[in-house]
Amino acid sequence: QQPVQSPQAVILREGEDAVINCSSSKALYSVHWYRQKHGEAPVFLMILLKGGEQKGHEKISASFNEKKQQSSLYLTASQLSYSGTYFCGTDMNRDDKIIFGKGTRLHILP
Amino acid sequence: DAGVTQSPTHLIKTRGQQVTLRCSPKSGHDTVSWYQQALGQGPQFIFQYYEEEERQRGNFPDRFSGHQFPNYSSELNVNALLLGDSALYLCASSYGTGNYVQYFGPGTRLTVT
Repeated sequence: QQPVQSPQAVILREGEDAVINCSSSKALYSVHWYRQKHGEAPVFLMILLKGGEQKGHEKISASFNEKKQQSSLYLTASQLSYSGTYFCGTDMNRDDKIIFGKGTRLHILP
Repeated sequence: DAGVTQSPTHLIKTRGQQVTLRCSPKSGHDTVSWYQQALGQGPQFIFQYYEEEERQRGNFPDRFSGHQFPNYSSELNVNALLLGDSALYLCASSYGTGNYVQYFGPGTRLTVT
């Protein structure tokens, strides 16, 4: 039931774009995206709910394909501060039991 | 506005001992969830407390127990510690239930020797 994230790791140069994908084998109610820097707490980026509602930062965009149980996080014009590990978490039953993927490590080079 | 706080920051325990970790939710939040994060892995859901009751539980043994107090703060207790319990324990708070945004605390790093 753990969502699968891809790619596992990516290296970009500042200003380049990145897409991080999250897929589940089960029907989802919501997808949650977090970024975690080494030694720090995960920081909320975006929540996407079944039915199209989204809540999150203005500079972060994401999509949720309910039919395919897939979500993608879009990072455009990446900045050095975007470096970290990105986790997607999924909730299948609207019961706040969020299951996180293994993460995608993003490294931005100057 | 204080965010989620956790104590202690680091803890070293011996196998077989018991440990208590503490969490104070973000101001205005009434729901607390606990996660275990092993090195290089995503957080794993342990359980969630709302209105002083365990509302949801992940696949963790009964050695893991918790409590929520009337002021919404929470404790995570782990009995009979195993080497495999070494991890970062994260607390996250939210307002209400039903997929509201969860805000994470800095975590407690537990090392079992």
